[in-house]
Amino acid sequence: QLQLQESGPGLVKPSETLSLTCTVSGGSISSTSYDWGWIRQPPGKGLEWIGSVHFSGTTRYNASLKSRVTISVDRSRNRFSLKLSSVTAADTAVYYCARPGVIPAAYWRGENWFDPWGQGTLVTVSS
Amino acid sequence: DIVMTQSPDSLAVSLGERATINCKSSQSVLYRSNNKNYLAWYQQKPGQPPKLLFFWASTRESGVPDRFSGSGSGTDFTLTISSLQAEDVAVYYCQQYYTTPITFGQGTRLEIK
Repeated sequence: QLQLQESGPGLVKPSETLSLTCTVSGGSISSTSYDWGWIRQPPGKGLEWIGSVHFSGTTRYNASLKSRVTISVDRSRNRFSLKLSSVTAADTAVYYCARPGVIPAAYWRGENWFDPWGQGTLVTVSS
Repeated sequence: DIVMTQSPDSLAVSLGERATINCKSSQSVLYRSNNKNYLAWYQQKPGQPPKLLFFWASTRESGVPDRFSGSGSGTDFTLTISSLQAEDVAVYYCQQYYTTPITFGQGTRLEIK
């Protein structure tokens, strides 16, 4: 059964860079033609898509965060990573990684649902 | 961006009664070339990640009880729980995957009355 696990510092200082890794187990990150995702959820609030990465390294980002986000993939370690620069308190959130759903190629429009999700990791931005 | 708006924000329903959650998109998520609605529903229980319930608006994910149903097309969608169970207490989210960026509704909190 495929599982995802986020890891990284739980506390980041304002203006610094948040760095998280999502390790995939029980399956290969190269097993899907679709893009693995990062999603975040501020405490008590809703979900925001950050961006997605294909195992080839191709990325897509939410324009609202694009200038600060870098997502990369490490196929040899079966994981993908998120970096968010110049963080502020507004970036405090639970960060989730997730696997893309399986969409028949004929139906593909560029985006996807996500299943399953990792358990999430809380990152607090504070000095 | 496609804005997803859910209603109500919160809902209290008696055990065994029907619960209905609505999701409206600011533009159609129906792709007429394949007649598919690019909409998913998730359930999120406290302290847990979202769990996929439906994709294509009405295709139930494996393992989801059949008291849950998804319906709608175009811009208006509904998640229905036919007979509320205690374990259904959660926040429910809709999500469009019709276009970038992926966007979610603000969530609907479902409680027991």
